[in-house]
Amino acid sequence: EIVMTQSPATLSLSPGERATLSCRASQSVSSSYLSWYQQKPGQAPRLLIYGASTRATGIPARFSGSGSGTDFTLTISSLQPEDFAVYYCQQDYNLPWTFGQGTKVEIK
Amino acid sequence: QVQLQESGPGLVKPSQTLSLTCTVSGGSISSGSYYWSWIRQPAGKGLEWIGRIYTSGSTNYNPSLKSRVTISVDTSKNQFSLKLSSVTAADTAVYYCARSRGDSVGGMDVWGQGTTVTVSS
Repeated sequence: EIVMTQSPATLSLSPGERATLSCRASQSVSSSYLSWYQQKPGQAPRLLIYGASTRATGIPARFSGSGSGTDFTLTISSLQPEDFAVYYCQQDYNLPWTFGQGTKVEIK
Repeated sequence: QVQLQESGPGLVKPSQTLSLTCTVSGGSISSGSYYWSWIRQPAGKGLEWIGRIYTSGSTNYNPSLKSRVTISVDTSKNQFSLKLSSVTAADTAVYYCARSRGDSVGGMDVWGQGTTVTVSS
């Protein structure tokens, strides 16, 4: 199985700051099959990015994704109050589909 | 637009079978080319993909659960279901159903709100 490792576990930032979240796969993943999700307490995950860099419907432009092979990045250009949440990367390149353990973006 | 809603018992006894249903509204479960998945999340922990069923009815399961999992579809009711046998306390979690494109490009774009299942006597 492909193990997805996210770093850091927690990111403490202030509103308006830039957030950079990392996701590393234990083996190469086609960019087409790498997604990012946002999850707020008590809510289901929400798809933010698919295909490593394509924003899902309705996702603001401050969210961007990049990367290839084993290293992927989610960037939030200027944190808004509603962006403080947990973020997960996920691959559906190989079965079983796997998620990273999550990065919590918290208010500093 | 398509919406998903999980339903089922919130409490299951150890060694019994957990059964959940995901009802699809706003579209037909058998139209288009989609995977319909189950994912779970223990309290305070990350997400675990349980398995999926394709529009055609073919299934794939996470090897960690494969011996205990069955996912099926009922197109007449526009539902798909999860059965997890021989449950233990480790199966206590929020269970989500979700949809993804049949070519797997596009992530899981529609999720249910989740249902909490507790395994306890």
